[in-house]
Amino acid sequence: AQSVTQLDSQVPVFEEAPVELRCNYSSSVSVYLFWYVQYPNQGLQLLLKYLSGSTLVKGINGFEAEFNKSQTSFHLRKPSVHISDTAEYFCAVSLISSNTGKLIFGQGTTLQVKP
Amino acid sequence: NAGVTQTPKFRILKIGQSMTLQCAQDMNHNYMYWYRQDPGMGLKLIYYSVGAGITDKGEVPNGYNVSRSTTEDFPLRLELAAPSQTSVYFCASSDAGTRVFSSYNEQFFGPGTRLTVL
Repeated sequence: AQSVTQLDSQVPVFEEAPVELRCNYSSSVSVYLFWYVQYPNQGLQLLLKYLSGSTLVKGINGFEAEFNKSQTSFHLRKPSVHISDTAEYFCAVSLISSNTGKLIFGQGTTLQVKP
Repeated sequence: NAGVTQTPKFRILKIGQSMTLQCAQDMNHNYMYWYRQDPGMGLKLIYYSVGAGITDKGEVPNGYNVSRSTTEDFPLRLELAAPSQTSVYFCASSDAGTRVFSSYNEQFFGPGTRLTVL
């Protein structure tokens, strides 16, 4: 079975500071990897995804993530955060072999950007 | 293009009541999903559908039912509401079946329905 662990439930950070949100996954087969963001009282939207190719993936709003197969990690980073980045962030995986597109989500990390 | 829409936005139910959460998408996606979100638990898959007339259980299907008579609509039915079903419910859709590699498995989410069962 597959599982996703987000290592921090809350990450407080000051505006313009760098941030890293950590995600580890467990799977015996190859997976696709995703980061979604949920702004307050809204649905989820895709930040970025890793399907294949370069292990460094760039997404929207200046975020990027690096796929590390040996450490089974997919950490999300941003060099300088803004107040507007305050949101909940979810890491997710899906099986490459799946024909259902099902996603398995981590527990979520709340990013709190302080002025 | 409205994307994925959900109604209602909020609802309070009494124990034992029933209701249907509506979900519709206008992107001609074959795949649709229902999730529930509980604090600190992430999203859990309730049911999913890979096309009209085809549905299957997810991780937490007990107490729920679904149907998929059209490509556009995927309603979620709660028959006998229980306090454990208090949650935020999200519907999502994707074109995972079209083999468009670059968008494979990207799910588009609705704004959610916040349900309280008292």
